[in-house]
Amino acid sequence: NAGVMQNPRHLVRRRGQEARLRCSPMKGHSHVYWYRQLPEEGLKFMVYLQKENIIDESGMPKERFSAEFPKEGPSILRIQQVVRGDSAAYFCASSPHTDTQYFGPGTRLTVL
Amino acid sequence: QKEVEQNSGPLSVPEGAIASLNCTYSDRGSQSFFWYRQYSGKSPELIMSIYSNGDKEDGRFTAQLNKASQYVSLLIRDSQPSDSATYLCAVNGPGTASKLTFGTGTRLQVTL
Repeated sequence: NAGVMQNPRHLVRRRGQEARLRCSPMKGHSHVYWYRQLPEEGLKFMVYLQKENIIDESGMPKERFSAEFPKEGPSILRIQQVVRGDSAAYFCASSPHTDTQYFGPGTRLTVL
Repeated sequence: QKEVEQNSGPLSVPEGAIASLNCTYSDRGSQSFFWYRQYSGKSPELIMSIYSNGDKEDGRFTAQLNKASQYVSLLIRDSQPSDSATYLCAVNGPGTASKLTFGTGTRLQVTL
């Protein structure tokens, strides 16, 4: 059973460009979570989604960030007009129910 | 007051000793508690989950929970150099029960 998959693993963008991060949950998992880890800081919750629904986006910055989990395909975290402060590791986690979360390998975003 | 607090360390223990990692949390409504291990540059890996007061053992790992004191701990017996990593305490909530709030982690170093 494949684990949580994320791509790309590394992403380099210039300031002002868009970043799209993808997450495919473990088979049978319908709950997806996105977390951000800034250098030398802890993991911070961003958003919790189920298929076609955003359940909790209390950790998402109000501007430039959006997330979706369509009926078909992976969950997408989109960052528009990236700035240097967006450079971080972005982790996706999934769970079969509202409980134990399993993390993907992460996407390391570098903004030049 | 931080929602989940951990001593950042580093905690240094000799090989074969017991490592004791501690965590306190502020939300009395939390019901689920997790320990993750994170190697440098890697994603968090679930070690233990605990939901009831008392001890839970899994191999060399024992998680302890005291809801009255809002305290969670992780004991690692017979510590090995491969246990050297950052250990993250995570608590469900606040707000959406399924989102996790993480401490900043305790860095463990197991010395030869």
